[in-house]
Amino acid sequence: GAVVSQHPSWVICKSGTSVKIECRSLDFQATTMFWYRQFPKQSLMLMATSNEGSKATYEQGVEKDKFLINHASLTLSTLTVTSAHPEDSSFYICSAHRDTSTDTQYFGPGTRLTVL
Amino acid sequence: QKEVEQDPGPLSVPEGAIVSLNCTYSNSAFQYFMWYRQYSRKGPELLMYTYSSGNKEDGRFTAQVDKSSKYISLFIRDSQPSDSATYLCAMSEGGQAGTALIFGKGTTLSVSS
Repeated sequence: GAVVSQHPSWVICKSGTSVKIECRSLDFQATTMFWYRQFPKQSLMLMATSNEGSKATYEQGVEKDKFLINHASLTLSTLTVTSAHPEDSSFYICSAHRDTSTDTQYFGPGTRLTVL
Repeated sequence: QKEVEQDPGPLSVPEGAIVSLNCTYSNSAFQYFMWYRQYSRKGPELLMYTYSSGNKEDGRFTAQVDKSSKYISLFIRDSQPSDSATYLCAMSEGGQAGTALIFGKGTTLSVSS
């Protein structure tokens, strides 16, 4: 159990367009989902924490109007990169927390975004 | 000073060797400690997680946490070529593992046959 999927796995878009990335927990309900960004040869950096039915909490330096997060159900969170620019090109990874006191986060396979 | 320090490597070992991977940290509030394995262009896969200080063993993997030294380790015995990947340490504060994780940069391991 504890499978997390992301869609799409990779996307190429033109500068100025918006891209939506989906994160789904396939076999469990996730009250909390996290969005990370990973640049080449760098570690994962937390962008925002998303709780079902409430507004996301963004980390310092992450523009909430540029990276829109919607956690509409217990199995789905979406990240929309608005007006994407080449510097937004990165590997975006989500994780989902299964709400038990001894559990941890399960990561999706990631989405590689390339903005031309 | 970064919150979590991890030597990026690369680390190259022959098949069958014992591998030692380490992270140091500065935040004494970290309670949960995790090791993830990440293959190229894939999401991280949880290998081990421990709470507070101590050792935990799972097959060929052993995780150690020394909170007094703010130092954690992952040992891989009888390393295999399939172990070649990037290993990320991660930590979180508080009493629940499902909080924001702070990651190290990752150590790239290459096991040659």
